[in-house]
Amino acid sequence: QQQVKQSPQSLIVQKGGISIINCAYENTAFDYFPWYQQFPGKGPALLIAIRPDVSEKKEGRFTISFNKSAKQFSLHIMDSQPGDSATYFCAASMNTGNQFYFGTGTSLTVIP
Amino acid sequence: KAGVTQTPRYLIKTRGQQVTLSCSPISGHRSVSWYQQTPGQGLQFLFEYFSETQRNKGNFPGRFSGRQFSNSRSEMNVSTLELGDSALYLCASSPGQYQETQYFGPGTRLLVL
Repeated sequence: QQQVKQSPQSLIVQKGGISIINCAYENTAFDYFPWYQQFPGKGPALLIAIRPDVSEKKEGRFTISFNKSAKQFSLHIMDSQPGDSATYFCAASMNTGNQFYFGTGTSLTVIP
Repeated sequence: KAGVTQTPRYLIKTRGQQVTLSCSPISGHRSVSWYQQTPGQGLQFLFEYFSETQRNKGNFPGRFSGRQFSNSRSEMNVSTLELGDSALYLCASSPGQYQETQYFGPGTRLLVL
């Protein structure tokens, strides 16, 4: 059972456009929501993370929007660049350790 | 600091065999987690070790086991390999105990024939 549902599976965006990836969860005990970026042949790397006490967090061109009542959160990549082409994973965790539940991933391709 | 290292990087085994994968965390990190990555399933949590103790375990059969040594290095073992065990196995280390940033290694690609 997938505890974190992620969509879309793949995404193609023009350079300069906005990329949006969505995730949803059911377990209300989750209280930490990171996004990871993975390039081919590499392990995932933390991109940005949010806790449910805020509705939005921005770091450079990357923004997380969080809707606690809907149990949904999303990643927005502004001014998308070809170098952003990678697989993105959302994740969630409870305060019980370092166990993370990951979404199934979104393959982003930014066309020059 | 050196990153997380995993050995071997690639492995081919046949059904029924067993395999041991190794992970060296970032120096000073005491938490090591293991994940299985397959297309369409994303990353599935296997288990987490902190100071040589298994703290959390994912929903995998008992054929999957692990351990952590006093120097925080960790090994993962899969016995009686099945075709469905073919995957990328990722190790991640973290400096602290709770909801810490996971620093992933490049993974071990296991192919079971």
